[in-house]
Amino acid sequence: EDQVTQSPEALRLQEGESSSLNCSYTVSGLRGLFWYRQDPGKGPEFLFTLYSAGEEKEKERLKATLTKKESFLHITAPKPEDSATYLCAVQVRQGGFSSGSARQLTFGSGTQLTVLP
Amino acid sequence: ETGVTQTPRHLVMGMTNKKSLKCEQHLGHNAMYWYKQSAKKPLELMFVYNFKEQTENNSVPSRFSPECPNSSHLFLHLHTLQPEDSALYLCASSQDPTRRGSRTDTQYFGPGTRLTVL
Repeated sequence: EDQVTQSPEALRLQEGESSSLNCSYTVSGLRGLFWYRQDPGKGPEFLFTLYSAGEEKEKERLKATLTKKESFLHITAPKPEDSATYLCAVQVRQGGFSSGSARQLTFGSGTQLTVLP
Repeated sequence: ETGVTQTPRHLVMGMTNKKSLKCEQHLGHNAMYWYKQSAKKPLELMFVYNFKEQTENNSVPSRFSPECPNSSHLFLHLHTLQPEDSALYLCASSQDPTRRGSRTDTQYFGPGTRLTVL
């Protein structure tokens, strides 16, 4: 069974204090790993997709990395507006691109980040 | 309108009511999804539609009934719900990577409907 575990559950940082969020996964064959940001009462906002170990992607203060077992979301010099819940999800390889099962995202429980001014 | 829109944003209903949630995507995608997000739990996939055909139903109770009349619109019909069905219901869409070599299809989410069942 595919599993995604995010840690920590909650993280409080001072503005400017860099840190990392972890997403560990156990899947039969990774097709893609996704990071989303979710603000309270809103839908998840897409951040990154990573496909293979060693891949990195950056956007402003965020940098996502991927290994064969986990992904990290590094936050450099965070600001209060970075406060949100960060969700990790995996998509696994199935037979055929049009298969509904191929589209399933398995989500972690998220890390709630609070950045204090 | 851009992206994925959902209406209503908030809904309060009694256990005997019938209501519908609406989702519309303006991204030209051909796959749409319903997810349920309960407090302290990961997002749960409910239904997947690919080219208007339902391709996935993750053991969802029959009191939830999806409808996808075209690739831009998705509905979730609700009837005789239970209080434990109170949650944030999220719609998402993606573009099926129909060409060989396409890696995956990113799902884009709407703002959700906050449902409270009394």
